[in-house]
Amino acid sequence: QVQLEQSGAEVKKPGSSVTVSCKASGVSFTSSVFSWVRQVPGQGLEWMGRVIPIVGVTNYAQKFQGRVTMTADKSTSTTYMTLSSLRSEDTAIYYCARAPGSARGYSDYWGLGTLVTVSS
Amino acid sequence: DLQMTQSPSSVSASVGDRVTITCRANQDINNYVAWYQQKPGNGPELLIYASSPVQSGVSSRFSGSGSGTDFTLTISNFQPEDVATYYCQNYNTPPWTFGQGTKVEIK
Repeated sequence: QVQLEQSGAEVKKPGSSVTVSCKASGVSFTSSVFSWVRQVPGQGLEWMGRVIPIVGVTNYAQKFQGRVTMTADKSTSTTYMTLSSLRSEDTAIYYCARAPGSARGYSDYWGLGTLVTVSS
Repeated sequence: DLQMTQSPSSVSASVGDRVTITCRANQDINNYVAWYQQKPGNGPELLIYASSPVQSGVSSRFSGSGSGTDFTLTISNFQPEDVATYYCQNYNTPPWTFGQGTKVEIK
């Protein structure tokens, strides 16, 4: 079965960076596109960006440009999302989500989410 | 940037009701819309893709329609297990924006 296994919860200081990983199994990694979506407690879903592993292409939401980096390691079927210059407003659950392709961008599988808490 | 405007933001329904949620894009996105359900404490789950096909395993009480800029999610015969927040998402071109969400509660 398809699994997206995300790394564990993080507590970070303001100004620091966090990296969340997402290991995919049961699905063709190089045929997929992986998005990162965050959800601030009590609020809606926010698309942060995507990475296309087969070509290494990334697209980021304008809000996160310059602060976010998404990568994909084909050898381990793992995607990574690094968010820098953290502030308290970045406290959220971060989800990775898999889409069947760039032209089929709906997310049919989701990780369980990683809680990132930014606090001094 | 493309924006997805969902309405209503919340709705209360009785068991057996038909619930309709709309999503409007500020530009033509063909049929590149998905709908997700998120129950309290859980991650999102895909209900509908490409505006109308129902994802495998999803109840046939869920249906989607629309093309261009206006899209609709309909829940027929509303059940208690349908209590959740529902989101539309554009995946035409990045950014793959979500609507603000519609919270559906039981009356």
